[in-house]
Amino acid sequence: EPEVTQTPSHQVTQMGQEVILRCVPISNHLYFYWYRQILGQKVEFLVSFYNNEISEKSEIFDDQFSVERPDGSNFTLKIRSTKLEDSAMYFCASTGQPGSYGYTFGSGTRLTVV
Amino acid sequence: AQSVTQLGSHVSVSEGALVLLRCNYSSSVPPYLFWYVQYPNQGLQLLLKYTTGATLVKGINGFEAEFKKSETSFHLTKPSAHMSDAAEYFCAVSLNTGANSKLTFGKGITLSVRP
Repeated sequence: EPEVTQTPSHQVTQMGQEVILRCVPISNHLYFYWYRQILGQKVEFLVSFYNNEISEKSEIFDDQFSVERPDGSNFTLKIRSTKLEDSAMYFCASTGQPGSYGYTFGSGTRLTVV
Repeated sequence: AQSVTQLGSHVSVSEGALVLLRCNYSSSVPPYLFWYVQYPNQGLQLLLKYTTGATLVKGINGFEAEFKKSETSFHLTKPSAHMSDAAEYFCAVSLNTGANSKLTFGKGITLSVRP
């Protein structure tokens, strides 16, 4: 069964450093998403992306965050200057059609900011 | 706009007992509804989904859920719990608008299964 692949699985970074989280969505999917889950809390929407542009973003997704689809397969989330509160599990998801097809999630990247 | 309410944070059942995890939603348009399971230190796995048609949907691992529009509910059930069902369960909703609709999650419920 097709999978969404995320790398790395774990990343530790120093506060103030830039990090890039990588995702390879399912190949024929066109809609992409990033979510985060702070330890012990709910899964929160960050941003959705379609046709090479952001469709929607949450209030969490401020100027420190950016997304990019640099080629035909990767979808990245960049955090420019990490803060302690950015420590969380970050999930990438994709779908062929929002809603009716369901959303396939990757295994996540655990980001720890020290 | 859409939202999901999952009352309580923890449910504990005995092995072989009925599992019932409650979910209520709020949606301005007809919703799509989902249940996801998260095992410790793993990602989110789709258990089942309701899009259109039959309101009783069956998923993996013996779980099922029934969409009740009048009650705005989508409760998850399993007739007989197994130890391997211990995990975090998330109910989620997206909008049936044809546009790029995000998934909105409830806060999740931890299911424990006692031997």
